[in-house]
Amino acid sequence: DAGVTQSPTHLIKTRGQQVTLRCSPISGHKSVSWYQQVLGQGPQFIFQYYEKEERGRGNFPDRFSARQFPNYSSELNVNALLLGDSALYLCASTTLPPVAAFFGQGTRLTVV
Amino acid sequence: ELKVEQNPLFLSMQEGKNYTIYCNYSTTSDRLYWYRQDPGKSLESLFVLLSNGAVKQEGRLMASLDTKARLSTLHITAAVHDLSATYFCAVDIITGNQFYFGTGTSLTVIP
Repeated sequence: DAGVTQSPTHLIKTRGQQVTLRCSPISGHKSVSWYQQVLGQGPQFIFQYYEKEERGRGNFPDRFSARQFPNYSSELNVNALLLGDSALYLCASTTLPPVAAFFGQGTRLTVV
Repeated sequence: ELKVEQNPLFLSMQEGKNYTIYCNYSTTSDRLYWYRQDPGKSLESLFVLLSNGAVKQEGRLMASLDTKARLSTLHITAAVHDLSATYFCAVDIITGNQFYFGTGTSLTVIP
């Protein structure tokens, strides 16, 4: 069975640009959540989606947005990139209630 | 503000020794997760603890949860080099799949 897949794996962007990250959950999982992990820190919760509806939002600015599609895949968008947005972005999928959350390999975003 | 704190932040231990990592959290939750992360890699699920008093063991690792004390422990028995990694605990407080992670414990096992 395929796990959680994220694309791209690496990305380099310039300050002020916009970026879209993609996530495909495990088959049968309807909940997707996004996390930002800055080097040396634990992952920080950004968004959770379930059945295409936003179920939760972490303490991130409005430059961050996301959506979930009918096939339960998800996109994370970040506008007006800042240097501080450089991080590993992780996607997790799970059933609800969760037995465990499974993480993708992540997208490493570098803003220069 | 929800806080999830782990200690120690850094742990260097010799092979064969035992040690415990502690995870304290500041809000009510019945669901606590432990993850392992190798450098440059994603998170690997180790344990899911879903009730007070839950104890789970896998190989040299054992995790427990005390929801009344808001404390979880990850005990390492007879450490081996392959256990070197960063370990995170995470609390799930709302509807599921909204995890709040601890600060992480970087474990180095010295031969």
